[in-house]
Amino acid sequence: EAAVTQSPRNKVTVTGGNVTLSCRQTNSHNYMYWYRQDTGHGLRLIHYSYGAGNLQIGDVPDGYKATRTTQEDFFLLLELASPSQTSLYFCASSDDWEYNYAEQFFGPGTRLTVL
Amino acid sequence: AQSVTQPDARVTVSEGASLQLRCKYSYSATPYLFWYVQYPRQGLQLLLKYYSGDPVVQGVNGFEAEFSKSNSSFHLRKASVHWSDSAVYFCAVRNNAGAKLTFGGGTRLTVRP
Repeated sequence: EAAVTQSPRNKVTVTGGNVTLSCRQTNSHNYMYWYRQDTGHGLRLIHYSYGAGNLQIGDVPDGYKATRTTQEDFFLLLELASPSQTSLYFCASSDDWEYNYAEQFFGPGTRLTVL
Repeated sequence: AQSVTQPDARVTVSEGASLQLRCKYSYSATPYLFWYVQYPRQGLQLLLKYYSGDPVVQGVNGFEAEFSKSNSSFHLRKASVHWSDSAVYFCAVRNNAGAKLTFGGGTRLTVRP
């Protein structure tokens, strides 16, 4: 059974629209991450979180908000979507980095198109 | 800050041929190093990881990688590729004082039957 799930898998919205992407993990991990994937850029970190109520700024945070409501659930919010936010979004979870590799486990991705 | 460069955006090889995908990193100390694979319409899956010890590390599906401190490299290798290895491969680095992974731009591998 998949340990990191994302919904929706595909989303189309218009410029200025509101979008919420959802992620749930059942790995019992403290860390969760949101990335965007664009050709030539690999994956770029938007926001991440260490536990419910915690939020850390990533490398490309502009235009994005995030909220971690429980240990399992992490949401990415686009309140005024723009075409530049058309991308493939991945959620991931990991163990605490103090414990060895803290490798990240990824969800299947959400493809967002902003028209 | 750490960074990762994968100089080859696309690589095409014939089935049965050997493979090397290049990865160069920038970090002052020895980082945690990872190779991930992304098959079509899927998320990323871990192939292998390295931090210390034997510089050649074995991964899944016959993949291995070799760490070189002097060259700041972590190249991925496979002795004989299969058509099912066609995918995008990402090298990633994490420093030893935080949770953030930094990814390279990825290499799209196409294996010709």
